[in-house]
Amino acid sequence: NAGVTQTPKFRILKIGQSMTLQCTQDMNHNYMYWYRQDPGMGLKLIYYSVGAGITDKGEVPNGYNVSRSTTEDFPLRLELAAPSQTSVYFCASRLSGQRRNEQFFGPGTRLTVL
Amino acid sequence: GQQLNQSPQSMFIQEGEDVSMNCTSSSIFNTWLWYKQDPGEGPVLLIALYKAGELTSNGRLTAQFGITRKDSFLNISASIPSDVGIYFCAGQKGGSEKLVFGKGTKLTVNP
Repeated sequence: NAGVTQTPKFRILKIGQSMTLQCTQDMNHNYMYWYRQDPGMGLKLIYYSVGAGITDKGEVPNGYNVSRSTTEDFPLRLELAAPSQTSVYFCASRLSGQRRNEQFFGPGTRLTVL
Repeated sequence: GQQLNQSPQSMFIQEGEDVSMNCTSSSIFNTWLWYKQDPGEGPVLLIALYKAGELTSNGRLTAQFGITRKDSFLNISASIPSDVGIYFCAGQKGGSEKLVFGKGTKLTVNP
């Protein structure tokens, strides 16, 4: 299994541009998450999904959109990039079930908005 | 947004020394998790704790779920150079999908 994969690894955007960060997992996990990590900070939850067709807002959802059409994929969309969205973005997934809170993270996408 | 108070922020130790770090919160969590992050990588789960008072080991790592459910501790014994990285605690409340993360403890191990 490749685990959680993210593309691209790096991206520079101009203010106002849009882009989609891709996330795929091959572990048949039903839960998937998007986090952002700002320098010197812990991760903050942007959006999450408990299964295909179901998404919900996390702590910092403004400026982002998500969709979950398949179990494997959970893309994150930035419509109008702003400098405040400069961050490292991590996708994660896990299986549901009691005492199964372990989230597995992808390698991250480093995004800079200029 | 809520964040956990994680300390210390950074540690510089000699190889072979033991390390302790902790996280505290003003509110109760049902789950505590400890992650390690290497430069340019995503966090990797080290230990998960599900019950107040629980003490769990993973090799040289030991973590405890505080009895008040508002804190957790991570100890690393006999540190080695590959222990270098940033360690994050994360708490999760019952019925919530949201993990609340600490700001991390940056560990440097001098050979």
